[in-house]
Amino acid sequence: DIQMTQSPSSLSASVGDRVTITCRASQSISSYLNWYQQKPGKAPKLLIYAASSLQSGVPSRFSGSGSGTDFTLTISSLQPEDFATYYCQQSYSTPPEGFTFGPGTKVDIK
Amino acid sequence: EVQLVETGGGLIQPGGSLRLSCAASGFTVSSNYMSWVRQAPGKGLEWVSVIYSGGSTYYADSVKGRFTISRDNSKNTLYLQMNSLRAEDTAVYYCARVLRTWNGSGSYPYYYYYMDVWGKGTTVTVSS
Repeated sequence: DIQMTQSPSSLSASVGDRVTITCRASQSISSYLNWYQQKPGKAPKLLIYAASSLQSGVPSRFSGSGSGTDFTLTISSLQPEDFATYYCQQSYSTPPEGFTFGPGTKVDIK
Repeated sequence: EVQLVETGGGLIQPGGSLRLSCAASGFTVSSNYMSWVRQAPGKGLEWVSVIYSGGSTYYADSVKGRFTISRDNSKNTLYLQMNSLRAEDTAVYYCARVLRTWNGSGSYPYYYYYMDVWGKGTTVTVSS
């Protein structure tokens, strides 16, 4: 089974900061990687799919990159509404193995 | 407007059963891949199950043999029948639409899959 890890598990940042979150797969998943944002008490929201494709309606300050085993989500200038937990998800290994999520990275206010 | 609304959560004793519903609007459930994802208190996201547009169903090992995903096309609704519930099934359960996009290269896997629409979730608590 493909395992997903994220680093850091949490970070503190200020409004306007450039923030980078890393996701690593236990084997190559090409560009089959999605990113989601989740705020407390809310459902996850799709940000990026296929490693670098921005979902419609998502601000352009969010970007994704990477291929193979290493991926990054970058927020170019952190905004107050961006404080949330971010999850990566692989879709290379589809069911029955399943759409594995990473453990999440919590971004909070410094 | 494309929307998913989950219902059916509640407090249930270990060993009990519960059926969750996910009513869709703005799109057709049977024409899409649909999935259930859960989140235990204070924990991350865990994929639970998926039903393909063709009707094939798949489950995470943690729920295989106990949970059943299904849909009612006439009601445009997705279901999750949960039997033999355990304390570790306590979670918020989300339904989500799974979109797939051709990868453009013709190489396997042929599609990118991603969950673009989510419901607000329904809470299941398994406790005596």
